[in-house]
Order: sequence, then C-alpha cells, then structure tokens
Amino acid sequence: QKEVEQNSGPLSVPEGAIASLNCTYSDRGSQSFFWYRQYSGKSPELIMSIYSNGDKEDGRFTAQLNKASQYVSLLIRDSQPSDSATYLCAVNGPTGFQKLVFGTGTRLLVSP
Amino acid sequence: DADVTQTPRNRITKTGKRIMLECSQTKGHDRMYWYRQDPGLGLRLIYYSFDVKDINKGEISDGYSVSRQAQAKFSLSLESAIPNQTALYFCATSDPGGGGPDEQFFGPGTRLTVL
Repeated sequence: QKEVEQNSGPLSVPEGAIASLNCTYSDRGSQSFFWYRQYSGKSPELIMSIYSNGDKEDGRFTAQLNKASQYVSLLIRDSQPSDSATYLCAVNGPTGFQKLVFGTGTRLLVSP
Repeated sequence: DADVTQTPRNRITKTGKRIMLECSQTKGHDRMYWYRQDPGLGLRLIYYSFDVKDINKGEISDGYSVSRQAQAKFSLSLESAIPNQTALYFCATSDPGGGGPDEQFFGPGTRLTVL
C-alpha cells in the first residue's frame, strides 16, 4: 500500500464548477497535510496546509481533513482554466521530522 | 528575486560524467532538501539537511552525494551519472520556527538528461 494515494486523473470539470480532489494516507500518526499545485515542467507551489480535523478555507480553496478516515481533500470553487495543473498531496512521513511523503498527484483539467 | 534558485536549469551529460547541481536560498531557512521527480513516481527525497552539520539520507540516496557549504547553499552531486538518473531535480527549504511546521518551498528545478 502506498503511503499517500491520489487518483491520477485527469479530473475534468467545466469552468465555474467545483473541483474536488482527494487523497488518502496510511500512517495514522501523520500530523501535517499539504496541497501543492504543479504546472507542467514547473516546481510545486504550496497552496494549502492543514493540521486539524475539519475545513480550512483560503479564497477559492478549501482543504478538508478527516484523520479518523485518513483522508484529506481539496475543493476548488469557481474553477478557472488557469487552475488546470497537477495537484500533489503531501503528508508528513511516519518517521523523522519535516520529511514529507508526496502522492503522485491528480491532474485537473478545467475547460472553458 | 527568487527565494530559492537552482543552477543549472537544464543539463545534458553523458554516462560516467560527474555532475553537480547547486541550490541557493535567501529565505533564511535552516532546512534544505533535494528531491527528484519522475513521471508516475512522484517526488522522492534524495537527501536532506537540517543545518550545516546535519546531513541525512533520504529514500533514494544511492548514486548521489551532497554538500552543505553554508546555511544558504546545498549542492547535489552525481559522481558517475547513469541514464536512469535522468529526471527533474528540485531543491526545497523549510523553516520549523516560522509559519506552519513542515511547509516546504521549492526551487524552479533542474532538468537533467543523462545520455
């Protein structure tokens, strides 16, 4: 079982819709959870971090964390074509401090 | 100006050559990391350093070495490059004392091709 799992996609949504990206993780001891956006050929860009159960909103982005079910999700409201990218979920690893484990990412396509 | 810079941005080399990738940061972060990214495999940690005197192997350190010359500089070397080291390489930094814990910030990447 992979430590951090994401559906590779692509997830296709029309412009203006809500995009929902999901991530599950295997280590119940994980404490820190992150969403990165990566455009093709570019570096990952941190867009959200979440540490407590529940929702965290930042502009059009909402991160949701459920530690009991070991999943974290990212909602993008009013999706724009510029949101088309690969979204990486990252979780702090089972051993060591500040070692993140990344999922392989979900590719999001937002059509005009 | 970019907070985390990497040089070179692109490099093509031949099997057996020694290659050094360099990373510099102006964020003032103590912690620095080297990752490689391959299609379908995601980001994998090669080495990480919590300060100038603390260097640790990541999950795929074989064939690589690192040097932390200063707080702001962290270099990755391929002593004898081989074709399966062809990948996109990223440097990242983090600051445990500021912002959220574990947040890592990435440089622009180096695309390395080993022929």
